[in-house]
This record gives sequence, structure tokens and C-alpha cells, in this order.
Amino acid sequence: QVRLVESGGGVVQPGRSLRLSCAASGFTYSNYAMHWVRQAPGKGLEWVSIISYGGSNKYYADSVKGRFTISRDDSKNTLYLQMNSLRLEDTAIYYCAREEAGLDYWGQGTLVTVSS
Amino acid sequence: SYVLTQPPSVSVAPGATARITCAGNNIGSKSVHWYQQKPVQAPILVIYYDTDRPSGIPERFSGSNSGNTATLTISRVEAGDEADYYCQVWDSSSDHSVFGGGTKLTVL
Repeated sequence: QVRLVESGGGVVQPGRSLRLSCAASGFTYSNYAMHWVRQAPGKGLEWVSIISYGGSNKYYADSVKGRFTISRDDSKNTLYLQMNSLRLEDTAIYYCAREEAGLDYWGQGTLVTVSS
Repeated sequence: SYVLTQPPSVSVAPGATARITCAGNNIGSKSVHWYQQKPVQAPILVIYYDTDRPSGIPERFSGSNSGNTATLTISRVEAGDEADYYCQVWDSSSDHSVFGGGTKLTVL
């Protein structure tokens, strides 16, 4: 069965960095585009980034462009999100999701808290 | 940037029909996906490409999309349908995905 498991969240000070991982299993990971979506406490879903299958195309929300970098390692079936220059407003649960027709599978999320 | 507007809340009685709208400029020309999110859970896809249902989603869930409004319709609403619902599109002009603000469905 398809499984996505995020890790790497935690508490970090403003201006610091954090790298999130998303381990995929149960499907041919290299064939799929992957997304990061986040949800601030008590708020709605916010799209963060997408990476195409093969990794040649990457796009970012304006709120994270220039600070976050999405990448993938198809040999490890793993998606990454490198987050630099973190801000208080980056505090959220971060989900990875597979793109098929829509985002058909989601992980359970990892919580990132940016706090001084 | 492209904006999707949803009503913050919709309330219906059990057994009635709930309609949740998602407004966007010429949204009928885009493919709309809908997600259900219950408290402390990850979202799940309930409608893709405007009208299609993933396997396992009840037939009570349906979608439509035309003009400036897409609609998620839930027939014969049950208590278990109480959740937040989000619409989503891909905006090819900006290469961004966009979510609506979400609608909280309350079953009275």
C-alpha cells in the first residue's frame, strides 16, 4: 500500500535551518511528481512546492521562494524540503503528497515550530 | 496570483444535501480537486478533475465546475461527513498550486 512518512520537524529559532524528509513506499516513487503542503495552527492548507518526476522542474509558493528548496532522491525513494532563514510564520504542519489526479496520497505530517 | 474563494462555513441537517462552492476567475477552464480534512488528520482526496471520485469515496460525493464556480455536492449528509473541505487547482500562468480557504461543514 502507498505510504508517505514525513520526518525532520521540530522547534527551531528564527533565521535557522531545517531539512524535512518524506519517505515513500508502496509505489514507483520515481514516476510521480511530489508536493509539500503546509498548515499553520488553526488555519487552512497552503501549497508550498512541487517537484516533477525526474526532478527537472521545481516551483515554489511566493512565501517560501528563495528560502526553501525541494529535492528528491529516487534511489532512496525520498523527498526533501530544505528550509532556510525560517520565520515565525513558517510554523506549521508540513505534509508531503503524491500527485496523480490531484494529491491522491498524503503523509501524516511533521510539525515545524519556529520560536525564539 | 490566482485566488479561490470558499464560504467559511456550511450547515446542513442529516439527510439533506450540502453544496460547497469554490469561486475563481474562469475556474471552469481549470481542473478542480476537492479534499476532506477531519480534525487531527491529513486531508484526503474526495473529488478529482472536477467530477471524478477516487475508489472508496461514496457516490454521495459529486462535483461540478462551470464558469466562475466549482461546487462540491454531498447528498444524504451523514454525521461522519462533518469536516473541513478544500478546493484546489493548478494555475498554469504562475506555475503555482492554489487552495481555497476551506469550508467547515457542520451537520446539525
